[in-house]
Amino acid sequence: DTGVSQNPRHKITKRGQNVTFRCDPISEHNRLYWYRQTLGQGPEFLTYFQNEAQLEKSRLLSDRFSAERPKGSFSTLEIQRTEQGDSAMYLCASSLGGQGQRQNIQYFGAGTRLSVL
Amino acid sequence: AQSVTQPDIHITVSEGASLELRCNYSYGATPYLFWYVQSPGQGLQLLLKYFSGDTLVQGIKGFEAEFKRSQSSFNLRKPSVHWSDAAEYFCAVGAWNTGFQKLVFGTGTRLLVSP
Repeated sequence: DTGVSQNPRHKITKRGQNVTFRCDPISEHNRLYWYRQTLGQGPEFLTYFQNEAQLEKSRLLSDRFSAERPKGSFSTLEIQRTEQGDSAMYLCASSLGGQGQRQNIQYFGAGTRLSVL
Repeated sequence: AQSVTQPDIHITVSEGASLELRCNYSYGATPYLFWYVQSPGQGLQLLLKYFSGDTLVQGIKGFEAEFKRSQSSFNLRKPSVHWSDAAEYFCAVGAWNTGFQKLVFGTGTRLLVSP
């Protein structure tokens, strides 16, 4: 169990550029979540995958954001035409599937910190 | 709507002193409650969780929390703080959607430990 891995750890980009982040969940976890954390705030839910299916998207996820999990393993989060307001820490979490309380424990990666200049 | 309130933005505690971080939640059903800790530049590490049963739950690093339904609270405690406990602490409630839970977090409490 190597934990949830996120790459890159830091990304600096200019306004208007596209960026893509990657998340590798814990290997046996089929549920994957993305959250966004801005300075001085707690993380806010963005989207949820069960296997390869994206089952829930927050209204925070504008049309410029797209997330995929093509084979039910790693996931990518892409932001197109970045804006300064997109500057934040993007956190990925994963959990077990199925029934039971263990499915409700989310394990987080170290996050990708995005700075839009 | 679900929400979590952490009324203390910063708390400073002397090393060796006891600690209590406050958390109040708003949720229409029986809540699943969590405390996570975040060190600078790091992700979130789960300290402890409450799902049901005993309202006093034990976690890692000597932390415990008590669920009080009547007060809608889930305060985090530690009897003796170590300098390595300096970090940001987040309380969260698991909010059920269709078949999964999303976590709703408070704004966090930053713990400073003085020598």
